[in-house]
Amino acid sequence: KNEVEQSPQNLTAQEGEFITINCSYSVGISALHWLQQHPGGGIVSLFMLSSGKKKHGRLIATINIQEKHSSLHITASHPRDSAVYICAVRYQKLVFGQGTRLTINP
Amino acid sequence: ETGVTQSPTHLIKTRGQQVTLRCSSQSGHNTVSWYQQALGQGPQFIFQYYREEENGRGNFPPRFSGLQFPNYSSELNVNALELDDSALYLCASSVGQDPGYTFGSGTRLTVV
Repeated sequence: KNEVEQSPQNLTAQEGEFITINCSYSVGISALHWLQQHPGGGIVSLFMLSSGKKKHGRLIATINIQEKHSSLHITASHPRDSAVYICAVRYQKLVFGQGTRLTINP
Repeated sequence: ETGVTQSPTHLIKTRGQQVTLRCSSQSGHNTVSWYQQALGQGPQFIFQYYREEENGRGNFPPRFSGLQFPNYSSELNVNALELDDSALYLCASSVGQDPGYTFGSGTRLTVV
């Protein structure tokens, strides 16, 4: 079993839909990251969480430390949100999930 | 402040050759970590350097080695390249134990 599991692996939705991507982990962590990776490969850090909830524009990230679970939500999704979203946890090093490939159709 | 810069962006090498990838860390960051991302997979931790010393290593063979320089830039060296080494290699910089990371755009290595 991977230390970080994401679901779903692939998600296709229509523009405007509310999107949720889930991340579960099995180790004690000091922080959890949500990252966005576009086809060119570069990674952009969206959020770093150690508790509670963070919001940036249409993106919301939550974490439940007791349940070892985090979610990334996108409201009013747009085709430009199409990318791979990766959850990564830090306990001694960064451990990454496999990523969720999100496609938003116009 | 500048971000993390990796070079080259793309590289093609022949099996058995050696390769050096470079990373310039974000200004003020003294820790650099390297990751290998195979197609369709999440990145895997290779190793981390803090103040020019390796201070963490993932499950990669010794032919993967690195250096960090006094200006905190870093190199990843891979000897005796194998076809399975074809991947995107990502570098990230951070400050000590601070959990925030800045990622580079990666170097895509193809071994033929």
